[in-house]
Amino acid sequence: AQSVSQHNHHVILSEAASLELGCNYSYGGTVNLFWYVQYPGQHLQLLLKYFSGDPLVKGIKGFEAEFIKSKFSFNLRKPSVQWSDTAEYFCAVNVGVGPGGGADGLTFGKGTHLIIQP
Amino acid sequence: ETGVTQSPTHLIKTRGQQVTLRCSSQSGHNTVSWYQQALGQGPQFIFQYYREEENGRGNFPPRFSGLQFPNYSSELNVNALELDDSALYLCASSTQSRPGNTIYFGEGSWLTVV
Repeated sequence: AQSVSQHNHHVILSEAASLELGCNYSYGGTVNLFWYVQYPGQHLQLLLKYFSGDPLVKGIKGFEAEFIKSKFSFNLRKPSVQWSDTAEYFCAVNVGVGPGGGADGLTFGKGTHLIIQP
Repeated sequence: ETGVTQSPTHLIKTRGQQVTLRCSSQSGHNTVSWYQQALGQGPQFIFQYYREEENGRGNFPPRFSGLQFPNYSSELNVNALELDDSALYLCASSTQSRPGNTIYFGEGSWLTVV
């Protein structure tokens, strides 16, 4: 079974700092990769996803992520964070075919709690 | 807004009782999945329904069961509640027919078992 590891459980940054959140997965085959964000009191929202093609994917709100197959990594980046980026960030993977997650659903990491100080 | 609505938003149950959580999928979505998110953890996949049939299941015991109705709304039932079942339960909907479609999550139902 696949698993996802997020390296930092808590990250505190100042506004305008650059952000990189690490995500590694374990699975030897083809994967689909996602980053979700959960703002306080709100639903999980998709930031970006990788299915195939260009390993550098751009998402909403200025976020991007790079899929490095040889490192089994899918790190999330943002060049300049804002106070409004304070949230919980989840990396997820599935090995199914199609957006429904296939028969195995999405496997999430434990999340990174990001706090941006004004 | 994701178009995925869940009810109730909060509820408290006693150990040993049964609970039913409900989910209304986004219009046109024929796939619904359920996740359990314990405090401080990422969501864990419970099961998935596609066109009213379960077509995938995570590592959850049989006392976790579900239904999907012809209008693609869904229920999650948990029998013989245990204290560890206290969590946020998330419903997600999607369309399996088109690759690249997004999975949309509801805001969840908070279950507390005492």
